[in-house]
Amino acid sequence: GQQLNQSPQSMFIQEGEDVSMNCTSSSIFNTWLWYKQDPGEGPVLLIALYKAGELTSNGRLTAQFGITRKDSFLNISASIPSDVGIYFCAGQYGGSQGNLIFGKGTKLSVKP
Amino acid sequence: DTGVSQNPRHKITKRGQNVTFRCDPISEHNRLYWYRQTLGQGPEFLTYFQNEAQLEKSRLLSDRFSAERPKGSFSTLEIQRTEQGDSAMYLCASSLAAVQETQYFGPGTRLLVL
Repeated sequence: GQQLNQSPQSMFIQEGEDVSMNCTSSSIFNTWLWYKQDPGEGPVLLIALYKAGELTSNGRLTAQFGITRKDSFLNISASIPSDVGIYFCAGQYGGSQGNLIFGKGTKLSVKP
Repeated sequence: DTGVSQNPRHKITKRGQNVTFRCDPISEHNRLYWYRQTLGQGPEFLTYFQNEAQLEKSRLLSDRFSAERPKGSFSTLEIQRTEQGDSAMYLCASSLAAVQETQYFGPGTRLLVL
């Protein structure tokens, strides 16, 4: 089945540093979503992208829908300790019948 | 709280027992999705409903899994004759049907099968 390649798998950064993570797919996607998940909780929506080339910000978070529609990235600026968690990309493509395809996640650790 | 809610949050059961989980979506959302998430993985789609109609169920893991949404509001996911491999987080999400839609997730039900 369709898979998303999300990288990096994990990151250990110092508080205040910027973070970048990305997702790629083999199929063209029509929606890209970025979620954050804390241990024992469900994913929380951070940013939704609907058009190729779209660049959207949510506070210190910025995400882009790639021009080829096969990739997306998420940047976090000036990281803080509460940014710790697992970040997932997810997307929908024509054959996915509405369901989301998820990457395997990027685990972010922030050292104060 | 107007978000997606799931009950119970945790369930411990013995192998062979049946379990049922409930999901209450955001009130105006007509689509409801069930996902399963195992350790170290992203959520994996199981099934979804639009109103009371189950539009996709081929991804349910086996015939021991079934889901209902009888009145187009809350939904239940049942696992019969549980196995240890069923241990996972079961997530529910809801959305408004659209060409490009956004799904909002509940807190999940953590199942442990002993």
